[in-house]
Amino acid sequence: QKEVEQNSGPLSVPEGAIASLNCTYSDRGSQSFFWYRQYSGKSPELIMFIYSNGDKEDGRFTAQLNKASQYVSLLIRDSQPSDSATYLCAVNEDQFYFGTGTSLTVIP
Amino acid sequence: DTEVTQTPKHLVMGMTNKKSLKCEQHMGHRAMYWYKQKAKKPPELMFVYSYEKLSINESVPSRFSPECPNSSLLNLHLHALQPEDSALYLCASSHFAARATSGANVLTFGAGSRLTVL
Repeated sequence: QKEVEQNSGPLSVPEGAIASLNCTYSDRGSQSFFWYRQYSGKSPELIMFIYSNGDKEDGRFTAQLNKASQYVSLLIRDSQPSDSATYLCAVNEDQFYFGTGTSLTVIP
Repeated sequence: DTEVTQTPKHLVMGMTNKKSLKCEQHMGHRAMYWYKQKAKKPPELMFVYSYEKLSINESVPSRFSPECPNSSLLNLHLHALQPEDSALYLCASSHFAARATSGANVLTFGAGSRLTVL
């Protein structure tokens, strides 16, 4: 059974701070990792994917992958109240495996 | 076109009704998925179609019946549902069902169909 683990939170950060979301996975052979954002009552939307060790930046978002330690993280810089949502980590193997999600609240 | 379109957005049905959820994508993706999501839970995989053939059925009750008429369309037929089946039903698609040998195989979700069973 492939496992993707996330701290369910809730995580609260003040506006303008850096939010750090973490995810660990069990299958050392996993190669592709995804971060989705989901607002309450809406469907998940892709924020970033990463498949190479190191950092990948897109605007205020940075995904970090460390295959040796089997973790992937998402940093949100200059957090905004509109970033308040649940963030889902996912791994693509024979199917897509999702973590349980981390609830983020950005306090104005 | 980078969208997955789901209809209807909302559906209310009785336990004896028969209804269908529909999903369409025109991204050339060869894998299509149905997920069920309850409040504050991650999406739960129900079915995967790969090249229009059912490749994964996660032990879903027979009152849910998937259908893939062609590579762009995916239906979920509903019959004799229970109130506990009320949830957000998400359709998604990706280039391939399994991981890509190079690059990333991105999963794109539709907006979802909110189902309420009375």
